[in-house]
Amino acid sequence: DIQMTQSPSSLSASVGDRVTITCRASQGIRNDLGWYQQKPGKAPKRLIYAASSLQSGVPSRFSGSGSGTEFTLTISSLQPEDFATYYCQQHNTYPFTFGGGTKVEIK
Amino acid sequence: EVQLVESGGGLVEPGGSLRLSCAASGFTFRNAWMTWVRQAPGKGLEWVGRIATKTDGGTADCAAPVKGRFTISRDDSKNTLFLQMNSLKTEDTAVYYCTTGNSGNWGQGALVTVSS
Repeated sequence: DIQMTQSPSSLSASVGDRVTITCRASQGIRNDLGWYQQKPGKAPKRLIYAASSLQSGVPSRFSGSGSGTEFTLTISSLQPEDFATYYCQQHNTYPFTFGGGTKVEIK
Repeated sequence: EVQLVESGGGLVEPGGSLRLSCAASGFTFRNAWMTWVRQAPGKGLEWVGRIATKTDGGTADCAAPVKGRFTISRDDSKNTLFLQMNSLKTEDTAVYYCTTGNSGNWGQGALVTVSS
């Protein structure tokens, strides 16, 4: 199975901060990667698909980059509604594995 | 607007069976590959499996922890996705989500609790 390693597992940040989350795949997955945001008690919501394409309706402060084995999710200016847990997922090879998650908390 | 509504969750004893349904609307269901994802309490997301469209063969693939026990199927005439879960174990306790394709849209989830 392809292992997806996210870092950090948690971070504390302030409103207005720039935040970067990294996801590393154990083997190359081209750009077959999505990023998801999940708030407590809610279903996840996709933010980014194909590594860098913004899902319709998602604010432009979210961006994704990378290809192959290294990927990043960047929030350019953290807003109060962005405090949540973020996951990456590869959909290149079965099983479509998720990263372990990054919890973004208020500093 | 895409809507996915899961149903059929509940409490079941170890070794028991349960069938989840996911009613889809707002898109052409027969043209969509569909996926199940689960999340154990307080844990991360886990891909359960996916089913192709009939046009693409209609085959389903499941993750190793559930292979041979869980079966994914679909009824395109009713725009409904199913997850048949047999020989349930306590570690199958989770919220189960149905999603479209590569998880672009998600249902609200159905809680399955396996406990004696």
